[in-house]
Amino acid sequence: EVQLVESGGGLVKPGGSLRLSCAASGVTFSSYTMNWVRQAPGKGLEWVSLISSRNTYIYYADSVKGRFTISRDNAKNSLYLQMNSLRDEDTAVYYCASKGSGSQSPFEFWGQGTLVIVSS
Amino acid sequence: SYVLTQPPSVSVAPGQTARITCGGNNIGSKSVHWYQQKPGQAPVLVVYDDTDRPSGIPERFSGSNSGNTATLTISRVEAGDEADYYCQVWDSSSDHPSGVFGGGTKLTVL
Repeated sequence: EVQLVESGGGLVKPGGSLRLSCAASGVTFSSYTMNWVRQAPGKGLEWVSLISSRNTYIYYADSVKGRFTISRDNAKNSLYLQMNSLRDEDTAVYYCASKGSGSQSPFEFWGQGTLVIVSS
Repeated sequence: SYVLTQPPSVSVAPGQTARITCGGNNIGSKSVHWYQQKPGQAPVLVVYDDTDRPSGIPERFSGSNSGNTATLTISRVEAGDEADYYCQVWDSSSDHPSGVFGGGTKLTVL
């Protein structure tokens, strides 16, 4: 059974930093493109970033470019999101989600999410 | 950037058919995926590549995509289908691919 488990969320002040982690099990982690998707309270889903299976390419949504950094460690079956210069509007549940290698593949498996609250 | 438009809400009686639309410019040329999200839970993929169902998803869930509209159809709706539904595509019109979600549709089972 595929399991993705996020951690690292919490309360942080505007301008602060936070590092999220996503631990994968039950899946050949190194075969999947991994993503972060977020959902602000009461709002819809927003794609944040993706990293290819071998770190060949990395992309970000314009809303986080220059502030967030995605990374992965295939040896540890783990995905990360370093979030700097956090803003109120970054408050959301952050999900990690796996995606196949095809350019138009869906988000196949999702974690349960970790809540990030940016507030003074 | 590419925009996907969904109706905010759809209501249907149990046993009837629910249709949730997702509009986008020439969306028929893209692969559309649909996710179901119940309160307090992570999204679940219910239809991918316009028409395919992941293992474990009932045949009552089906999809279509043509022109400027993709549609998720739920036949013989049950109370347990009440949830938010999101369509999603990958947009490559800018210098890099971006995941794009519709605004979501709340399905209410009357």
